Amino acid sequence: ILNVEQSPQSLHVQEGDSTNFTCSFPSSNFYALHWYRWETAKSPEALFVMTLNGDEKKKGRISATLNTKEGYSYLYIKGSQPEDSATYLCAFIGTGRRALTFGSGTRLQVQP
Amino acid sequence: NAGVTQTPKFQVLKTGQSMTLQCAQDMNHEYMSWYRQDPGMGLRLIHYSVGAGITDQGEVPNGYNVSRSTTEDFPLRLLSAAPSQTSVYFCASSARQGLTEAFFGQGTRLTVV
Repeated sequence: ILNVEQSPQSLHVQEGDSTNFTCSFPSSNFYALHWYRWETAKSPEALFVMTLNGDEKKKGRISATLNTKEGYSYLYIKGSQPEDSATYLCAFIGTGRRALTFGSGTRLQVQP
Repeated sequence: NAGVTQTPKFQVLKTGQSMTLQCAQDMNHEYMSWYRQDPGMGLRLIHYSVGAGITDQGEVPNGYNVSRSTTEDFPLRLLSAAPSQTSVYFCASSARQGLTEAFFGQGTRLTVV
């Protein structure tokens, strides 16, 4: 069983705060790393698909970095807004597998 | 576009009953997967398929069967429901596994009593 870990498990911030989460994954046999945003009562939606060491992706106020050699990825949210409240999932896929392995997620709550 | 469609959205079963969770996608995706979501455990892979006629086990396959007779459909069968299978089930599909994003269905909330 692949070990994909996310930290922290949950986070409470004030509107306007910037925040970041960590996803750690096996550094060997890397193929791709995904980030998903999952709002309550909805389905996960993709934020980023990252495949290369050193990749940096950005979508609005949300950005992500990838370090495949040491096996971690960071997700950053600049100037958090209440609508950013959600669970953020990372998912890893290695060269030997054919399906995504998900971390348990970081639950973010942004207080107005 | 319908995307990934799961039915039913809610289901209550008695222990020992069987049922099939339906999943269909209209994006011509080769890769499809079933996950279950339990509190504090994220999404755990049950079974997956890399194309019609090809399926494989994931992390938690016991008590579930799948088949993939067409590209569009990937049903999940519970053979004899147990309370431990109470969970929320998600079906997902992707065009190129790992290299493209996964699209998820709306989920099926299953309760086994």
